[in-house]
Amino acid sequence: DGGITQSPKYLFRKEGQNVTLSCEQNLNHDAMYWYRQDPGQGLRLIYYSQIVNDFQKGDIAEGYSVSREKKESFPLTVTSAQKNPTAFYLCASSSSGTIIYQPQHFGDGTRLSIL
Amino acid sequence: GNSVTQMEGPVTLSEEAFLTINCTYTATGYPSLFWYVQYPGEGLQLLLKATKADDKGSNKGFEATYRKETTSFHLEKGSVQVSDSAVYFCALSDPGGADGLTFGKGTHLIIQP
Repeated sequence: DGGITQSPKYLFRKEGQNVTLSCEQNLNHDAMYWYRQDPGQGLRLIYYSQIVNDFQKGDIAEGYSVSREKKESFPLTVTSAQKNPTAFYLCASSSSGTIIYQPQHFGDGTRLSIL
Repeated sequence: GNSVTQMEGPVTLSEEAFLTINCTYTATGYPSLFWYVQYPGEGLQLLLKATKADDKGSNKGFEATYRKETTSFHLEKGSVQVSDSAVYFCALSDPGGADGLTFGKGTHLIIQP
């Protein structure tokens, strides 16, 4: 079945440590996105990528970094500069064409907590 | 900028009741509108969408109509079930296109048997 796989499901970070969240899709989608979800709030966009080797900052990119070396992969690194990283992280993808009409498909998320 | 406003939750209903979750939006252009549903511990699933004024999206008994004059996209269902308990998000896609979706804060729906 085609879909988006995020791993791990749960992740713990020590103070001052960088961690990387994995996102892989086999939908052959060009565009991929990372969102952060906090309790009682909607999703906020961290980074997005429309094509391989290119990505753009979203609304809350500070303290995060991404790469897009392959079409199917869009890993997110939460750096030590992110002072409040505890959240639920969601990866999404959408097909090419007229972006505005394309729904986004989501993975099951990674819950990151600070030890 | 763009924004989406949803009714605050939780919304608690009895099984077979009529459901309305209000959603209004502000956008600089002419967006597409979406409803997503999130079950506990999971990611979001697309429930329905509408891409132009007066379009009605529908799926699994849920409906929403794109109302440009009132900038609204209210979600409705005639008879809810316990299995509909989840968090529902209204979202828009900006005509500028590239920068992802703008989400409302979500409405937690609880259906009691």
